[in-house]
Amino acid sequence: GQSLEQPSEVTAVEGAIVQINCTYQTSGFYGLSWYQQHDGGAPTFLSYNALDGLEETGRFSSFLSRSDSYGYLLLQELQMKDSASYFCAVSAESGGSYIPTFGRGTSLIVHP
Amino acid sequence: DGGITQSPKYLFRKEGQNVTLSCEQNLNHDAMYWYRQDPGQGLRLIYYSQIVNDFQKGDIAEGYSVSREKKESFPLTVTSAQKNPTAFYLCASRSPAHAGGFPGELFFGEGSRLTVL
Repeated sequence: GQSLEQPSEVTAVEGAIVQINCTYQTSGFYGLSWYQQHDGGAPTFLSYNALDGLEETGRFSSFLSRSDSYGYLLLQELQMKDSASYFCAVSAESGGSYIPTFGRGTSLIVHP
Repeated sequence: DGGITQSPKYLFRKEGQNVTLSCEQNLNHDAMYWYRQDPGQGLRLIYYSQIVNDFQKGDIAEGYSVSREKKESFPLTVTSAQKNPTAFYLCASRSPAHAGGFPGELFFGEGSRLTVL
């Protein structure tokens, strides 16, 4: 099976930079994704890493090290609207199917 | 607009009743998934379907059933055998890689919140 570990909560101030780490154990690893979810809402896709290195999308960047089974999401120039839960998800291949498995989520609280 | 529609948004059920949650998509995606989310928890996979007329159990399938008779529809039935059904249920679909989608990119509906009275 798969397992993922990420911090339960992170706090930061507006304008700062915050990093949310994710470590995973899985077989058939295909890639690591990140999702954002505001209270009561649906998760929305942020980024995906299949290869080692950094992927940048605006204020958000995501990093993956396959050899360390580790990734992180980097949020820059934090805004109040970034307060939300962030989930890492491992996509593993099983019998031709791609099955995303989610971590328990990190609650990000941004203070003025 | 293309997307995933879940209904109802809120549902109340008495103990011992079966309920069916609807999930419809017009994204032309083959793969569809049902997840359950409890407060402060991640998403746990209930069932998934890679193609019409085929579906597989996820990590917590006991007490649930699904069907996939049409590409657009993947309804979830919460049966009376599910001992703790109060939760937020999320349906998702995934674009195939050949269409430019990432294997890990899921498109979610707005969810259905089920409460057992």
